[in-house]
Amino acid sequence: KNQVEQSPQSLIILEGKNCTLQCNYTVSPFSNLRWYKQDTGRGPVSLTIMTFSENTKSNGRYTATLDADTKQSSLHITASQLSDSASYICVVSGPDMRFGAGTRLTVKP
Amino acid sequence: ETGVTQSPTHLIKTRGQQVTLRCSSQSGHNTVSWYQQALGQGPQFIFQYYREEENGRGNFPPRFSGLQFPNYSSELNVNALELDDSALYLCASSWTKQFFGPGTRLTVL
Repeated sequence: KNQVEQSPQSLIILEGKNCTLQCNYTVSPFSNLRWYKQDTGRGPVSLTIMTFSENTKSNGRYTATLDADTKQSSLHITASQLSDSASYICVVSGPDMRFGAGTRLTVKP
Repeated sequence: ETGVTQSPTHLIKTRGQQVTLRCSSQSGHNTVSWYQQALGQGPQFIFQYYREEENGRGNFPPRFSGLQFPNYSSELNVNALELDDSALYLCASSWTKQFFGPGTRLTVL
């Protein structure tokens, strides 16, 4: 059973709109949580990394939140652009690294 | 740019053949990890090398093997290829901050 669950599996939004992606995990003990953006057929690119003591981290239009008590994280994208179309992967580090299956985001004009 | 390169970009093999994938990372990044990513899925951890020795392995059979060289380059070898080995293979260097390569797309016919 995968210890990192992401939702939704896929999402379609219009350019300029905001969206929020979810990540729930059961990895324990917890070290850090990262969000990656992955374009089709390419390697993942790091967006944010948060440790236990951090509950929010921003990178431009991307804002990640972490609730270590409920073991939930979200990635909020504001004013979406066509170039945001990609898969967004949540990765939780504990005894090892566990990858979520990703959320496939499509931004349409 | 992540400073991690992989070769080849694409590769087509037939069932039963052997394949070697290569990864070159930044100087000083003495940890390299390899991942298999099936279409539409998150990456699955294959193994990790630290200072030329394997120091972690995921749920992959022994026909998946690797090498890490003193110049921080690395190889992933897969013997007796199976159809299900078709995937994007990613390498990532370092540990506290992972830098992913662009991946090698392997197709097994």
